Amino acid sequence: NAGVTQTPKFQVLKTGQSMTLQCAQDMNHNSMYWYRQDPGMGLRLIYYSASEGTTDKGEVPNGYNVSRLNKREFSLRLESAAPSQTSVYFCASSEAAGYSYEQYFGPGTRLTVT
Amino acid sequence: SQQGEEDPQALSIQEGENATMNCSYKTSINNLQWYRQNSGRGLVHLILIRSNEREKHSGRLRVTLDTSKKSSSLLITASRAADTASYFCATDPPNAGKSTFGDGTTLTVKP
Repeated sequence: NAGVTQTPKFQVLKTGQSMTLQCAQDMNHNSMYWYRQDPGMGLRLIYYSASEGTTDKGEVPNGYNVSRLNKREFSLRLESAAPSQTSVYFCASSEAAGYSYEQYFGPGTRLTVT
Repeated sequence: SQQGEEDPQALSIQEGENATMNCSYKTSINNLQWYRQNSGRGLVHLILIRSNEREKHSGRLRVTLDTSKKSSSLLITASRAADTASYFCATDPPNAGKSTFGDGTTLTVKP
């Protein structure tokens, strides 16, 4: 049982390049989330998927797109990376059974955009 | 804007002392959760307290919730160097389907 896995662990992009961050969970959770964490700050929600087949914008969705590929996988795409997107990106999942939203987090992807 | 705000931003104590951190929030909630983040790692869930609960314990952790004041506190008793981490509260508004995290309290426990 690996929990939540993320790839890659580290990435350096040049401004304007694109990339996709991958996330998978093996806990049969319904909901999945993408956050970004800037230095010394808390998490800000980028997008989330309450269930397979649905996605919704979070607090800071601009510049990102997501795909809920199946129940296990939720990817985050940067179409044209900008230095402001330099951050640590965390994926999380939860049962989201309506009342309890305990989330399980992946180890993070450290992205630098130059 | 963030729903939960932790206080203090940073806390430094000696091993064996108790550490208390607080979280205030603005709107009604179903649950409030506390998470720990060790440096460079993902967040780990510590405890969830529901809106109809006032206090909850888990090992050396004690969480209280006062919905009338829209605030919660996390007490870590007999702290250890291994408790050094950032602690975040997360609030779960009704029907939101998602949590909102505060900016965290950074706790340093000196051996």
